This record gives sequence, C-alpha cells and structure tokens, in this order.
Amino acid sequence: GNSVTQMEGPVTLSEEAFLTINCTYTATGYPSLFWYVQYPGEGLQLLLKATKADDKGSNKGFEATYRKETTSFHLEKGSVQVSDSAVYFCALSGPSGNTGKLIFGQGTTLQVKP
Amino acid sequence: ETGVTQSPTHLIKTRGQQVTLRCSSQSGHNTVSWYQQALGQGPQFIFQYYREEENGRGNFPPRFSGLQFPNYSSELNVNALELDDSALYLCASSLGMGQANEQFFGPGTRLTVL
Repeated sequence: GNSVTQMEGPVTLSEEAFLTINCTYTATGYPSLFWYVQYPGEGLQLLLKATKADDKGSNKGFEATYRKETTSFHLEKGSVQVSDSAVYFCALSGPSGNTGKLIFGQGTTLQVKP
Repeated sequence: ETGVTQSPTHLIKTRGQQVTLRCSSQSGHNTVSWYQQALGQGPQFIFQYYREEENGRGNFPPRFSGLQFPNYSSELNVNALELDDSALYLCASSLGMGQANEQFFGPGTRLTVL
C-alpha cells in the first residue's frame, strides 16, 4: 500500500542554519504531496503542497519539490528561526480513489536554538 | 471565518467504556475526516464523511463509528475502549474530497484510557 517515510529526528539547528528534512514515498500513479506542521499544543497546519511531478510548493521560506523519479518531497529552508521549532509531517493523498485521505509519515521534530 | 473546533479538549475514560468526540467543520466545508495520532507518531486515517455518508475507512475496527450531520458537523464514537485507544484524535474538514484538497485540522481531543 501507499506509505511515507521521513528522516528520524529530532533535528537540532542553530538559528539561520539551512534545513533539510527528507521525505520519500511509495505510491502507484501520481499522489498529491503535502507538508504539515504541528506547533506545541496545536493542530496540524498545511505548510505547502504539490500536486504533480516537478511542482514546487513554497510558503514562509520553506520549499519542497515533487520528484517522481526519486519518489521524494524533501523540505528545505535556507535560514531557520527559533519560531520554526515544531514537528513536521510529510503526507500523501491519492492517487487511487477519491477519498482524499492523508497518509502521514512519522513526523520529524525540529528544534532551533538561538 | 470560524476554523475547525473539537470538543472536549481532554477526556479520561476507563477500559470498556464508550466515548463520543465532536467536531465542527470550517464554514462551507462539506467533508470531515478523522485521524488518530498516537504519541510520537503521525496521524492515522480513521474514516471520512462526505455529505452525511461514510466515504472511505482506514484500518480501524467497527467499534470506531461516526456520524455527520446536515450542518456537516461530525461525531466519532468509540465503543469498548481499550488502553491502546489512548491518543490525540484529530478532525479535519475540507471542501470536497479530492486528493489535492487542503484539509483544515482542529486542535484535537486528547483521550486517555485507564
């Protein structure tokens, strides 16, 4: 079945460092891909998405490119801030059926130190 | 615009009891999905409701059931609670059920089963 694998955390970085969180997926066809972020004590918020191969999703300085050839959707940010500390989830939806159910990775905790 | 709300925030039950969790979808959204998030894990899809009908179900036993009402709010019912049911239960709403549709998450209900 479809699945998502993320790099294990926690990831600890200093402020202004470069961030990469790896995400790979297994799915038939062309799923939609998402990054969600969960701040302490809050629900999940959509960070960015991409719906077809080679699409780049971007938001708040974060970027991820849908790579069909490597089945990857790595999250990057050029300069992290303390306020970026949160848990990040990679997820996919589809392509079979039309429920739009999300399949999540296990999450990666990011801690940014001043 | 009111976001997704869930009640209660926290709940403590004992094994064998029954529980009902509630979710109000974002204004204008006709689709509600429920997810179970165990501690330190990514959310797992339970089921989805579209216009009051169940539309897709994850790998959860029948003692997990749900309802969607004409105003698109929803309930998740769990019978015969087990210790492993302890988790954060997330509700998400969307406009339609397509794979690319953004799902908006509520803050969750933390269920503890003793």
